[in-house]
Amino acid sequence: DTGVSQNPRHKITKRGQNVTFRCDPISEHNRLYWYRQTLGQGPEFLTYFQNEAQLEKSRLLSDRFSAERPKGSFSTLEIQRTEQGDSAMYLCASSTTEFSGNTIYFGEGSWLTVV
Amino acid sequence: SQQGEEDPQALSIQEGENATMNCSYKTSINNLQWYRQNSGRGLVHLILIRSNEREKHSGRLRVTLDTSKKSSSLLITASRAADTASYFCATDKGGNKLVFGAGTILRVKS
Repeated sequence: DTGVSQNPRHKITKRGQNVTFRCDPISEHNRLYWYRQTLGQGPEFLTYFQNEAQLEKSRLLSDRFSAERPKGSFSTLEIQRTEQGDSAMYLCASSTTEFSGNTIYFGEGSWLTVV
Repeated sequence: SQQGEEDPQALSIQEGENATMNCSYKTSINNLQWYRQNSGRGLVHLILIRSNEREKHSGRLRVTLDTSKKSSSLLITASRAADTASYFCATDKGGNKLVFGAGTILRVKS
């Protein structure tokens, strides 16, 4: 499978715990994006990387959230001290460098439930 | 914040009928894309239409774009039960991300 891979697919955690999600993009894609999606809504942009550089962060990405892409390949999204409002699906996507006019490819998402 | 707004929020049709979904957006764009999402799954890219294009076809899909009205429509012809999903429009304003609407939930009854 050469698509975008995310894991874990589902995570249930207690409020206050830390969680980490991993994303493996399509291998030749330089750009990697994280989105968050709550029930009944469209995906909302969180952040994106070009290679290992994090070039844009949304105001949705509070200081409890941190994303990394250490070698320009896979990426991790960590949420510290989780809150019930963090419950959502976290989607990763990737694209080639020339973003505009090109397709971005999404993974299957990682569902987070904070209890 | 979400740029696009889809209309209707939900649509229920019989298999074989056509389904039309609309998307309106607020600011000028470079292109507009449509995605499909099956329940609990990731998004699948359907079609991209650039700002200088007015209509585009892909199989049973037809997308139109009216930049003067800041709106787009997605037509699915001869719908099938497998078309049941949420459909999202997403706009590219020339930045480095897509901005999605809230989506239209399509149910095709067999």
